[in-house]
Amino acid sequence: GESVGLHLPTLSVQEGDNSIINCAYSNSASDYFIWYKQESGKGPQFIIDIRSNMDKRQGQRVTVLLNKTVKHLSLQIAATQPGDSAVYFCAQGGAQKLVFGQGTRLTINP
Amino acid sequence: GAVVSQHPSRVICKSGTSVKIECRSLDFQATTMFWYRQFPKQSLMLMATSNEGSKATYEQGVEKDKFLINHASLTLSTLTVTSAHPEDSSFYICSANSGGEVTDTQYFGPGTRLTVL
Repeated sequence: GESVGLHLPTLSVQEGDNSIINCAYSNSASDYFIWYKQESGKGPQFIIDIRSNMDKRQGQRVTVLLNKTVKHLSLQIAATQPGDSAVYFCAQGGAQKLVFGQGTRLTINP
Repeated sequence: GAVVSQHPSRVICKSGTSVKIECRSLDFQATTMFWYRQFPKQSLMLMATSNEGSKATYEQGVEKDKFLINHASLTLSTLTVTSAHPEDSSFYICSANSGGEVTDTQYFGPGTRLTVL
């Protein structure tokens, strides 16, 4: 079956530092992965996605890395800002639906 | 672009009543809409997938007679929680994509907080 998990439930970083959020997945047949950001009381917000034919993709201040060998996905946030505080979910696409991981809460220390 | 709205944002109801939640794609036509529920400090759990003009596909363990889904147009899907009970209290979130393929980005609504007394 499909499952997506995260290595750490919480992550605390200093403002200005880089953040790295990790995610492990089990279904090697999936070819689409997405990162979402969810602030308290709000719906998830799309951050960045990557398809399995790529191993890296960059956006504005964010980079997603995909390691298919070890079934690992990571989200890197450069120069973390207070507005980055949220829960981050990875999701794996397959069979016409997404499977979400448990989420990592990112907190920013001033 | 790609804005999804939900209404209402919050609803409080008495046990035994039914509640309808609307999900609209505001600037695109949504071939497929998805309904999720999320309990506090937990992840999103897919309840059902809804395609315009056809019956929804429910995930295992989700009662289709309790959670009625209607996707009557390309911009509107509704979720009705029938005979709601306190254990149905949750955060309900819809999402939509325009192509119906899993590789098409899903855009999420802001969620609806349901509290059943």
